[in-house]
Amino acid sequence: GEDVEQSLFLSVREGDSSVINCTYTDSSSTYLYWYKQEPGAGLQLLTYIFSNMDMKQDQRLTVLLNKKDKHLSLRIADTQTGDSAIYFCAESLGSSNTGKLIFGQGTTLQVKP
Amino acid sequence: EAGVAQSPRYKIIEKRQSVAFWCNPISGHATLYWYQQILGQGPKLLIQFQNNGVVDDSQLPKDRFSAERLKGVDSTLKIQPAKLEDSAVYLCASSFRRKGLDRDPYNEQFFGPGTRLTVL
Repeated sequence: GEDVEQSLFLSVREGDSSVINCTYTDSSSTYLYWYKQEPGAGLQLLTYIFSNMDMKQDQRLTVLLNKKDKHLSLRIADTQTGDSAIYFCAESLGSSNTGKLIFGQGTTLQVKP
Repeated sequence: EAGVAQSPRYKIIEKRQSVAFWCNPISGHATLYWYQQILGQGPKLLIQFQNNGVVDDSQLPKDRFSAERLKGVDSTLKIQPAKLEDSAVYLCASSFRRKGLDRDPYNEQFFGPGTRLTVL
């Protein structure tokens, strides 16, 4: 069945880079997404990558996709205390992209000053 | 533009009681989703509407959960009767399709703040 796995917790110092990893199972996923959730708030889309890309850069964010290993990572450069949140990886299910997302369990990023 | 609105933000009920949640999606968004997010887990899709029709309700516990989307705009999610394991945050999201890379449709979902339900 469909499954998305993430490590649960990451702690970094302010100014360092953070790397959050994710593995997924549906090889027909068209898009893969990274969402951010701050306490008491809904999910906010950070970035996404199309399945025929290996890398996407968006300001401080770099997404790497290894389709062979079904591995996705999110790198945050120069991590700030405001980046402290839960980060969710999600895959869109199936090549038809009906919109159904399968989320990982989330990685809590703690940024220490 | 205004975001996805949900109410109430918090609800505490006793088991076997009923509860209803309301969602107002972003204007013009044809697709509406209800997710359940249990503490420490990622959101899980309960039901997806396209306009006022159901696209996917395979994960909705239909013996106790029901949802409707009035005139293809607002939506309500009801639980009757509630169980302890229904304690969670219920998230509503809406989306419209737009062109992404290589002309494939891309589907960004916009989430509301959620309703936190506690069942005692």
